[in-house]
Amino acid sequence: GAVVSQHPSWVICKSGTSVKIECRSLDFQATTMFWYRQFPKQSLMLMATSNEGSKATYEQGVEKDKFLINHASLTLSTLTVTSAHPEDSSFYICSARDSLSSYNEQFFGPGTRLTVL
Amino acid sequence: AQSVAQPEDQVNVAEGNPLTVKCTYSVSGNPYLFWYVQYPNRGLQFLLKYITGDNLVKGSYGFEAEFNKSQTSFHLKKPSALVSDSALYFCAVRVGIKAAGNKLTFGGGTRVLVKP
Repeated sequence: GAVVSQHPSWVICKSGTSVKIECRSLDFQATTMFWYRQFPKQSLMLMATSNEGSKATYEQGVEKDKFLINHASLTLSTLTVTSAHPEDSSFYICSARDSLSSYNEQFFGPGTRLTVL
Repeated sequence: AQSVAQPEDQVNVAEGNPLTVKCTYSVSGNPYLFWYVQYPNRGLQFLLKYITGDNLVKGSYGFEAEFNKSQTSFHLKKPSALVSDSALYFCAVRVGIKAAGNKLTFGGGTRVLVKP
């Protein structure tokens, strides 16, 4: 079945540093990937839609200069949290849409827990 | 705009009893509905989806859901719950299944606790 991986699975960083999270589709091509943020005991909030070879589309209220998204290939999208602050601590989940699926199936990664000290 | 409501924050059920997790939706157009399960510190696992056809959809781990257009509902059910079903469940809706840009909208989630 379709597998999406995320790396790292957890990261702890100091305030002011930048953190990069990778999202990979392991056995399918994904022209579109999505980045979500989830606070404890809450639902997933879509941050941005990552499009291969073009700029990401950000949801309202999400700072594009703070959350940099790069989708350089059909199997990899990266989210970089720049100048991280404690309020950026959260669980970040990516998903990838199978470009060849009849119904554009969307598969989720295992998530990355970011803790900013 | 599309939206999903999961009216119950938590559902408690005894092991072996039937489990129901409620979901209602609001969309303009034909809805495409999904259920996902999330275990602690993990991503979302796909359970089942309704695209078209039979209103009763069977999915993974013995779960099923019934699409009810008149009531705009897509409740998740399992005839006999297991302790291992304890997790966070999300209902999601999407409009325009073949359009690559269309996004999933998630409900707030329902925590299921199955007691031995």
